[in-house]
Amino acid sequence: NAGVTQTPKFRVLKTGQSMTLLCAQDMNHEYMYWYRQDPGMGLRLIHYSVGEGTTAKGEVPDGYNVSRLKKQNFLLGLESAAPSQTSVYFCASSYSQGPYEQYFGPGTRLTVT
Amino acid sequence: GQQVMQIPQYQHVQEGEDFTTYCNSSTTLSNIQWYKQRPGGHPVFLIQLVKSGEVKKQKRLTFQFGEAKKNSSLHITATQTTDVGTYFCAGPRSSNTGKLIFGQGTTLQVKP
Repeated sequence: NAGVTQTPKFRVLKTGQSMTLLCAQDMNHEYMYWYRQDPGMGLRLIHYSVGEGTTAKGEVPDGYNVSRLKKQNFLLGLESAAPSQTSVYFCASSYSQGPYEQYFGPGTRLTVT
Repeated sequence: GQQVMQIPQYQHVQEGEDFTTYCNSSTTLSNIQWYKQRPGGHPVFLIQLVKSGEVKKQKRLTFQFGEAKKNSSLHITATQTTDVGTYFCAGPRSSNTGKLIFGQGTTLQVKP
């Protein structure tokens, strides 16, 4: 089992460009999450999904969109990248029954210039 | 809104010294989870505490959940260089969606 995988691992964007980050999990988890991690701010939830075809906003959703067309995949899109979106992005997944232990992917380091 | 705070933010210790990080929630939690993130890595689940006053041990790590279920601590005895990393506590958000609210983390550095 690969667990949770993310592509790409690194990316540099110019302001205004768009991109999609892909997250895939092979654990048959219902729930999936996108976080961003910035120094001194812990992990902040961007969007999440409780099942195929469903998405919802987290703490910091502005500037991002998501889609969950297949249960195993959760896509995070940046339509018009801004320098404030420079961060490390983590995808995570969990079962739909407690204790909701989350399994994280290796992360994507994004720099917007 | 709901907040989870951790102190200290950073801790430098000599190898062999003990280390403790504290986690405080603004609301009562049904459970608390702890994660470890190695430098350059991703968070990895360590443990979950559910009961009031619960204490769990994993080798040199001792986790405690407060009686009021609003605070928790992680204590490492006789730190080793392999303990280096950032330790996060996390509690469930009010809705039953698996969402967690994470503390800011405590970064531990161990000098050999």
